[in-house]
Amino acid sequence: GNSVTQMEGPVTLSEEAFLTINCTYTATGYPSLFWYVQYPGEGLQLLLKATKADDKGSNKGFEATYRKETTSFHLEKGSVQVSDSAVYFCALSARNAGNNRKLIWGLGTSLAVNP
Amino acid sequence: GAVVSQHPSRVICKSGTSVKIECRSLDFQATTMFWYRQFPKQSLMLMATSNEGSKATYEQGVEKDKFLINHASLTLSTLTVTSAHPEDSSFYICSAPRGFEAFFGQGTRLTVV
Repeated sequence: GNSVTQMEGPVTLSEEAFLTINCTYTATGYPSLFWYVQYPGEGLQLLLKATKADDKGSNKGFEATYRKETTSFHLEKGSVQVSDSAVYFCALSARNAGNNRKLIWGLGTSLAVNP
Repeated sequence: GAVVSQHPSRVICKSGTSVKIECRSLDFQATTMFWYRQFPKQSLMLMATSNEGSKATYEQGVEKDKFLINHASLTLSTLTVTSAHPEDSSFYICSAPRGFEAFFGQGTRLTVV
């Protein structure tokens, strides 16, 4: 079946540090992959996405590359800011038995960036 | 980009009462919407898939009679928590898919006292 495994948090970094949050997946077919971000007290926002192998999604200095050979979609940022403190969710979109697209979620990784 | 509006953002209700949460797609039509529940420090749990013009599809373990879903139009789905109890206190989020993407409402923080 389809699943997403995401590194456990919490992750605590100092401002300007390098960030990596690992995400691997199992899926049948060709899923699309996403990173969503949830800031404190808010709903989810799409951060970036990739719809096919070798695609790189990028937004707000974050990047993730769809690696089919390693079934991974790791999130990276070269220099984090305090405002990046949030919970990050990796997700994949796959068709269920009813041929409807359904999001499969990782457990989320909490990131705290200290000044 | 597409916008999904969820209302209310916060609600406090007394135990035993019912609460209705609305989810609207503002600039696109959504034949399907999803309702999630999120517990503190945990991932999203899909509760049900709301289908315009037909019955909702509930995930295993979700009580249909407790969490009533109505998808009355192509832009509106509602979730009613009936006879709410303190254990129903949670963060509820709706989403509507468009193409490959899912667009989320702002979430509703429900507190049952």
